[in-house]
Amino acid sequence: QQQVKQSPQSLIVQKGGIPIINCAYENTAFDYFPWYQQFPGKGPALLIAIRPDVSEKKEGRFTISFNKSAKQFSLHIMDSQPGDSATYFCAARIGNNDMRFGAGTRLTVKP
Amino acid sequence: EADIYQTPRYLVIGTGKKITLECSQTMGHDKMYWYQQDPGMELHLIHYSYGVNSTEKGDLSSESTVSRIRTEHFPLTLESARPSHTSQYLCASRRSGDAGNEQFFGPGTRLTVL
Repeated sequence: QQQVKQSPQSLIVQKGGIPIINCAYENTAFDYFPWYQQFPGKGPALLIAIRPDVSEKKEGRFTISFNKSAKQFSLHIMDSQPGDSATYFCAARIGNNDMRFGAGTRLTVKP
Repeated sequence: EADIYQTPRYLVIGTGKKITLECSQTMGHDKMYWYQQDPGMELHLIHYSYGVNSTEKGDLSSESTVSRIRTEHFPLTLESARPSHTSQYLCASRRSGDAGNEQFFGPGTRLTVL
């Protein structure tokens, strides 16, 4: 049973568009929500993360929006570029426990 | 950049062979993990370790085994490889403690069993 549900499975946008990837969770004990970016042939790398005490976090062109009451969080990529084409994973963790990953979203940004 | 290494990066072997996938990290992390990732992208946790001499099976059943004799080293072994073991294997590590401690991934080993 997947504890973190991610959608969509794949996403295609034009350069400059704003792709949005959504994740939902059930366990309200989760207290750390990272996003990982994975390029072909590489391992996932931490992109940005948020704690549930804030509703939004921005780092460069990447923004996490967090809705605690709805138990949802999303990744927005502003002014997307072909170099952003990758697979994105959301995840959640409780304290020192192990990470629970979403199923991943394959993003393609067309020139 | 993460100091976590996996060898080999690519491996093509025949059915029935014994293989060991190596994973090492130089960050002194106590927690280490092995994930299996199929072309469908999802990460499946197959083994984890919380420290030396500690190993546990993950959510996805796997015929592989692991060992943790040294903090920095977490090898995964398949005694008799089969085509169903064809996949990408990712090693990861992190320091225990705060939830915000980053989990680092290695570059992965792409295994093909013929």
